[in-house]
Amino acid sequence: DAKTTQPPSMDCAEGRAANLPCNHSTISGNEYVYWYRQIHSQGPQYIIHGLKNNETNEMASLIITEDRKSSTLILPHATLRDTAVYYCIVAAGGTSYGKLTFGQGTILTVHP
Amino acid sequence: SQTIHQWPATLVQPVGSPLSLECTVEGTSNPNLYWYRQAAGRGLQLLFYSVGIGQISSEVPQNLSASRPQDRQFILSSKKLLLSDSGFYLCAWRGAEGLADEQYFGPGTRLTVT
Repeated sequence: DAKTTQPPSMDCAEGRAANLPCNHSTISGNEYVYWYRQIHSQGPQYIIHGLKNNETNEMASLIITEDRKSSTLILPHATLRDTAVYYCIVAAGGTSYGKLTFGQGTILTVHP
Repeated sequence: SQTIHQWPATLVQPVGSPLSLECTVEGTSNPNLYWYRQAAGRGLQLLFYSVGIGQISSEVPQNLSASRPQDRQFILSSKKLLLSDSGFYLCAWRGAEGLADEQYFGPGTRLTVT
């Protein structure tokens, strides 16, 4: 699986958009970009994934650059409950049996 | 809807004692199942995964073993715990079909080996 690089920490004001970057310059053509988050003392929570196109769901938007070497997770209106560690993961699809490699992630702190 | 259960939530065990953590999934069939460990201040490490009953793959050599006696049951065991086995143990599942790896995690078991 390709490696990812994320900033160790970020801050965001409540109600503003949180934009979390991720670099994955060695991504392969069959690898997806996944985002998970882990709120303190809980199990990780799946947020969103994408292959080439931008994606949006009820939690967030995922913007993937055209060359697929980087992506940005956008939380459009951050709340205090969005304070968590956010993990960007690159992994192949079903044939990998779902072996996700979690790095250190980005600690997002949403403040009032 | 699918639900994943883990128990116990917390556990304190002495060095050298055995361990058995259980994970069960409801609302899905033939899931892929995973055991992860998160040491204090560290990222998640994949320990085992299973694509079917009796099929276990180990990712790292260690003092632990896993078993899948039923389709939706995944058990993590040890015969003799080490201090280094302390950590937050998480079970996860994903559907066997499809290409994407949306994994859904349980609430975890916090193990302290003393």
